[in-house]
Amino acid sequence: SAVISQKPSRDICQRGTSLTIQCQVDSQVTMMFWYRQQPGQSLTLIATANQGSEATYESGFVIDKFPISRPNLTFSTLTVSNMSPEDSSIYLCSVIADTQYFGPGTRLTVL
Amino acid sequence: QKEVEQNSGPLSVPEGAIASLNCTYSDRGSQSFFWYRQYSGKSPELIMFIYSNGDKEDGRFTAQLNKASQYVSLLIRDSQPSDSATYLCAVTGFQKLVFGTGTRLLVSP
Repeated sequence: SAVISQKPSRDICQRGTSLTIQCQVDSQVTMMFWYRQQPGQSLTLIATANQGSEATYESGFVIDKFPISRPNLTFSTLTVSNMSPEDSSIYLCSVIADTQYFGPGTRLTVL
Repeated sequence: QKEVEQNSGPLSVPEGAIASLNCTYSDRGSQSFFWYRQYSGKSPELIMFIYSNGDKEDGRFTAQLNKASQYVSLLIRDSQPSDSATYLCAVTGFQKLVFGTGTRLLVSP
């Protein structure tokens, strides 16, 4: 199993600012992902966080808007840049250990 | 066509009944199929996964897979009010999970 923590758990931000979300796993994992869940919708994969190389982004998501770091096998950050109200969402870190686990999420509100 | 489709519901069942949740997928190459439960305001938690055609049972839950029809379902026997949640179907495709939009289940006492 894997236990995932995320910081912050929630935040309210002003338009045009940036927020960095941290994800910490209690064990080394190869596969780590960042998802977004907008209100009333399902999970959408933003990118795969690769250790030691650039993240792999899904269609519709770009590095300039969502820069990701993965310095080691237990930690990653996602930055939401130049935020707008449309970025209000829950952001979830996820890893694959024996199966796929999700972190508790970061609830972001952009005013 | 969406990659993974689910009826959004809500599906309402009385306590003690069988709840049947359905999911269809478009990628015939999909190999693994997952059901997640998500309570309001919480992150998804894995209930079951299934790889082979047929049924897989775990307690009150049974997952059913029919690859020819590209259909996977989740049966919940003896439904409890605590089962009220959104159930997400997820299918592997190109080394990533693709999620459906989820079905909201309401179990009334």
